[in-house]
Amino acid sequence: EVKLVESGGGLVQPGGSLRLSCATSGFTFSDFYMEWVRQPPGKRLEWIAASRNKANDYTTEYSASVKGRFIVSRDTSQSILYLQMNALRAEDTAIYYCARDAVYDPGLFAYWGQGTLVTVSA
Amino acid sequence: DIQMTQSSSYLSVSLGGRVTITCKASDHINNWLAWYQQKPGNAPRLLISGATSLETGVPSRFSGSGSGKDYTLSITSLQTEDVATYYCQQYWSTPYTFGGGTKLEIK
Repeated sequence: EVKLVESGGGLVQPGGSLRLSCATSGFTFSDFYMEWVRQPPGKRLEWIAASRNKANDYTTEYSASVKGRFIVSRDTSQSILYLQMNALRAEDTAIYYCARDAVYDPGLFAYWGQGTLVTVSA
Repeated sequence: DIQMTQSSSYLSVSLGGRVTITCKASDHINNWLAWYQQKPGNAPRLLISGATSLETGVPSRFSGSGSGKDYTLSITSLQTEDVATYYCQQYWSTPYTFGGGTKLEIK
């Protein structure tokens, strides 16, 4: 059974940093693209970051809204996906989900974690 | 970036009724279109991929159609457990983008 469990959310001041974790199990972590998707309160879902699989050298891609501030990485020995968030702004307040792509379809979010809430406020 | 527009942000339908949710892309996405269901307090759930392919375990009353820029999610015989917000998403190109959501309620 595929499982994704996010952690690390909380309250942070504007300009601060936070690192989210996504512990995974039930599949071969290195084989799959992994993504971060966020949802501000009452708003639509927003894709923010991708970590490609081992076959694609674990390369990364970001949305314009977080590029240069957020970094996605993996601990392949523990099958954990991370999102390092720096220079946080009020508009980064959201529930952050990690997602695993479908087998042959990058960008198709087949499995989701339960999400972790990040609140950026003074 | 490809913009995804769901024309109805809210729908109220009778139990047992038929639901049609539309989604329009700002550019052709070659059927790289997914539909997700999100219930309050829960993560989204993938229902349909490739515009028309039902995911395993999704009831057959759900179906998807469309091509080019215009896509539709249909639900026949609405059930109480279908109350949720439905999002379309294109995965043709990054940044992957979602529609604004259609909140479905029972009339």
